[in-house]
Amino acid sequence: DGGITQSPKYLFRKEGQNVTLSCEQNLNHDAMYWYRQDPGQGLRLIYYSQIVNDFQKGDIAEGYSVSREKKESFPLTVTSAQKNPTAFYLCASSMGGHGSGYTFGSGTRLTVV
Amino acid sequence: ILNVEQSPQSLHVQEGDSTNFTCSFPSSNFYALHWYRWETAKSPEALFVMTLNGDEKKKGRISATLNTKEGYSYLYIKGSQPEDSATYLCALMNSGYSTLTFGKGTMLLVSP
Repeated sequence: DGGITQSPKYLFRKEGQNVTLSCEQNLNHDAMYWYRQDPGQGLRLIYYSQIVNDFQKGDIAEGYSVSREKKESFPLTVTSAQKNPTAFYLCASSMGGHGSGYTFGSGTRLTVV
Repeated sequence: ILNVEQSPQSLHVQEGDSTNFTCSFPSSNFYALHWYRWETAKSPEALFVMTLNGDEKKKGRISATLNTKEGYSYLYIKGSQPEDSATYLCALMNSGYSTLTFGKGTMLLVSP
């Protein structure tokens, strides 16, 4: 079955460490996205990529980095520069264009200890 | 940053009740309005993608309408069932952005 896989489901990080969240899709989707959810807030866009080897900052990109070397993969690195990294992170993909719904992964909950 | 508002924030109904939620958004430069259902411990699931003013879409007991001129969409659930319990998200795409901006969601709880 086609889908989008995020790993790990839970992640603990010490302050000052970088950590990378994995997102893989086998839907042949061109576009991929990273969102963050915090209590009481809507999903906020961190980074997105509409094509391989290209990506753009979203609304809250500071302290994060991404790469898009393969169509299937869009890993997110949470760097030590991210001041409040504890959150729930969702990855999504779509065919691109305004008429295409997003397919979401199951998310990664990151906790900084 | 676009402002997408959803109301109510949460809703508790009895099995068999019909209910509806509202999503409000800026009407200028509209491209598309999406609705998603997000059940606890699962991934958000796309319900509807609506692009034209006056669009009405239906999926089983759930339907949605769209008014792009006044900037709102309604989601209706007829005869709510416990399995409808979830958070319902709306999201907007307009010509200034090529990505979705999400509202905070409406959390629905349906009691048996």
